[in-house]
Amino acid sequence: GIQVEQSPPDLILQEGANSTLRCNFSDSVNNLQWFHQNPWGQLINLFYIPSGTKQNGRLSATTVATERYSLLYISSSQTTDSGVYFCAVLMDSSYKLIFGSGTRLLVRP
Amino acid sequence: SAVISQKPSRDICQRGTSLTIQCQVDSQVTMMFWYRQQPGQSLTLIATANQGSEATYESGFVIDKFPISRPNLTFSTLTVSNMSPEDSSIYLCSVPPGGAIYEQFFGPGTRLTVL
Repeated sequence: GIQVEQSPPDLILQEGANSTLRCNFSDSVNNLQWFHQNPWGQLINLFYIPSGTKQNGRLSATTVATERYSLLYISSSQTTDSGVYFCAVLMDSSYKLIFGSGTRLLVRP
Repeated sequence: SAVISQKPSRDICQRGTSLTIQCQVDSQVTMMFWYRQQPGQSLTLIATANQGSEATYESGFVIDKFPISRPNLTFSTLTVSNMSPEDSSIYLCSVPPGGAIYEQFFGPGTRLTVL
């Protein structure tokens, strides 16, 4: 089956710093989503980005489907950005979201 | 997007008992999904809840342990049966709203602790 790998597994930033999170996937996909899981466990949709680039405030994401990776950029990080960031891909045949192992981010004041 | 609610938000249960988790969506959706997130782990799909037919379970999950109901297009329940401490997890439902299958949104989750 398809493999989804995220890096780095853990990241500690000082408030105000920028960061790049990476998601690699082993096969072609029709959907890729980025989520933020807050400390209360809720999954927040960040981007639905099967290809191209999108921006939302301090966050932006780029997916290069032909090279099977996606990047999530966080600029001017804030303590509220702390949590776990997941990418997940959708296989057409099953509609099943397959999650990466996540990047745990801690932003220190 | 869809507004998704889950009940209960959290519970502490005794070994050997069962808990039923509810998922309510504010619009009709064809498919609903149930995921499990064990402590410190990623999310794993348990099953797809289909209205009018039996749920479709992923490898490693069985109906006797995780029976699912889907009585209508806005509601589903997941029961965790004969619980053990290994069932301690966050359980989340998800839906693709508006018939657009590709983007999914998640409920707030149910945090279950089994003693």
